[in-house]
Formats: sequence, structure tokens, C-alpha cells
Amino acid sequence: GQNIDQPTEMTATEGAIVQINCTYQTSGFNGLFWYQQHAGEAPTFLSYNVLDGLEEKGRFSSFLSRSKGYSYLLLKELQMKDSASYLCAVYNTDKLIFGTGTRLQVFP
Amino acid sequence: DSGVTQTPKHLITATGQRVTLRCSPRSGDLSVYWYQQSLDQGLQFLIQYYNGEERAKGNILERFSAQQFPDLHSELNLSSLELGDSALYFCASSVTGANVLTFGAGSRLTVL
Repeated sequence: GQNIDQPTEMTATEGAIVQINCTYQTSGFNGLFWYQQHAGEAPTFLSYNVLDGLEEKGRFSSFLSRSKGYSYLLLKELQMKDSASYLCAVYNTDKLIFGTGTRLQVFP
Repeated sequence: DSGVTQTPKHLITATGQRVTLRCSPRSGDLSVYWYQQSLDQGLQFLIQYYNGEERAKGNILERFSAQQFPDLHSELNLSSLELGDSALYFCASSVTGANVLTFGAGSRLTVL
């Protein structure tokens, strides 16, 4: 079976740091992706991890531990425009399977 | 503009009807994916094509079918529509399989 778990909602304050966790159990693994999706819009790519460790990209970083089936997305220096859903997705053989997403609200 | 074009943007139809959603992938991308996103739900994988061939199938209903044409555009056909089929349908494309997917803006289907 396949299972990808993320918290449903999170809140944070402008300028702060937030960590969004994702745990997964899938029958295959070819990489883990994070996407951002504003309400009613298309998901946009944020990061990709295929090996263990941290990938940094500006204000966004993503970490992967394959042995633990665990990833997190770290957002620094939060801005109001970061209010969105963050989707964790696992590439399993030929399918990119998404979790239900974490809705992040950033308050001033 | 992501380079992935989906039409129509909005579609309102009645139960029992049939609709076709169209997707043109980004130039150079050979893989096309279809996803369904109902209100406050995650992206549900429907089906993937690679260079005209079906590559992977998700929880796609038998009332739904898709194909990818020689020019690489794809169509998703939804028939005998039910109220529960109301959703955003996204198409995404990538160069090959395990690559970054680029999503289109989606087609919002409302079944009344």
C-alpha cells in the first residue's frame, strides 16, 4: 500500500521559521518532491530529494531520510505570500503520489 | 505561464453528460499526467502517458478514459457524469518519468 502523511494545518508568524513534516510508506521510492499550491491554482515545484540529506534553495530547504520514510520542508523568514498548501509527493515507480497537503497560514 | 495548456478552464454540465478535457504538454515533455482534486482534497493520480503509451494507472474510474496523441497532446474523457465528479482536473507534464512535473492551470468541472 501507499501512505503519505502530513499535518492538515499549521500557522506561523511573518518572519518566523516553520517546519512541515511528511512521513511516507510506499512500495517503491524514486524521489520525494515538495510542491506549493495557492488556493485554486496549479501546484508549483519547490524541491526534490532522492538521496538522504538536506537540499537548500533560498528560503526553502528540504530534508530526506529514506530509512525513516521521513522528510521535512523548512521555510525561513516567512512572508505573507507563503500562505498556501504544501504538498509532499513520492515518486513510486511510474507515479507521483501526493499527500493531502498542509495548509499554512502566515499571520502578520 | 507554465507551458502546459489546459482547456477549457471552466466547464459546467449536467449529470449523465460526457465531457472532454484537453492538455498540451510543455514543449519537449513526453510524459503527461492527469490528476483530480476535489474540494479540500489532495491531488488524486488518475493516469500517466509516455510518448503515446499508457505508463501508469491510479484510481481512475471506468467511466473515465484518456489517451495521448502522436503530437503528444492528451485528452481526458469523463462520461456518465455524477455530482461527485465536480473537481479541478490538472494535467502535468515532464520530460520523462521521475522528473519534476509542471502543472497546467487546471480545468474546473462543475456537474449540476
